[in-house]
Amino acid sequence: AQSVAQPEDQVNVAEGNPLTVKCTYSVSGNPYLFWYVQYPNRGLQFLLKYITGDNLVKGSYGFEAEFNKSQTSFHLKKPSALVSDSALYFCAVRGQTGANNLFFGTGTRLTVIP
Amino acid sequence: GAVVSQHPSRVICKSGTSVKIECRSLDFQATTMFWYRQFPKKSLMLMATSNEGSKATYEQGVEKDKFLINHASLTLSTLTVTSAHPEDSSFYICSMYRGLVDTEAFFGQGTRLTVV
Repeated sequence: AQSVAQPEDQVNVAEGNPLTVKCTYSVSGNPYLFWYVQYPNRGLQFLLKYITGDNLVKGSYGFEAEFNKSQTSFHLKKPSALVSDSALYFCAVRGQTGANNLFFGTGTRLTVIP
Repeated sequence: GAVVSQHPSRVICKSGTSVKIECRSLDFQATTMFWYRQFPKKSLMLMATSNEGSKATYEQGVEKDKFLINHASLTLSTLTVTSAHPEDSSFYICSMYRGLVDTEAFFGQGTRLTVV
């Protein structure tokens, strides 16, 4: 079975400080891992993905994530947070076999404080 | 990036009526589309997988007679909430892959359904 855990419902960070949004996963075989961001009453916007290759993945808006196989983690990071980064962030996993649908974490609300 | 258009963005309907939500891919074809439901402060729950030209596959616990899905073409899938009740009020989001080589899904803007 595939699953994703986002242990923090809420993350607060001061503007200009680095931010981390945590994600751990469980999947059979090699995972496809994704981060999406959602603004109020909007659909999900793709940020970045890990499929294979370098463990450090760089994505949109200055975000990056590090795939750690031994810890089954895929934490989202940004060196310097902006107020406009405040949103709901979802980690998702998709297995390489079977259905193509994504399994989502419960989401983490990021608030960047001016 | 690929564009997925979902319409309407917001709808209010009376109990007992039906509501249709459309999801279109504007610049690519998709043989498979996904419908999710999002509860307040909760994650996205997959409702069903829509396949072009065939019946949708529903997740356990989702009433197929209540949530009718039609995937009539490679660019359009519709979700109809029949005989809506207040408990059907939610945020509905469609998703699709552009093709076999793509690995990230593209999402519609979502539809906020309120049943009064």
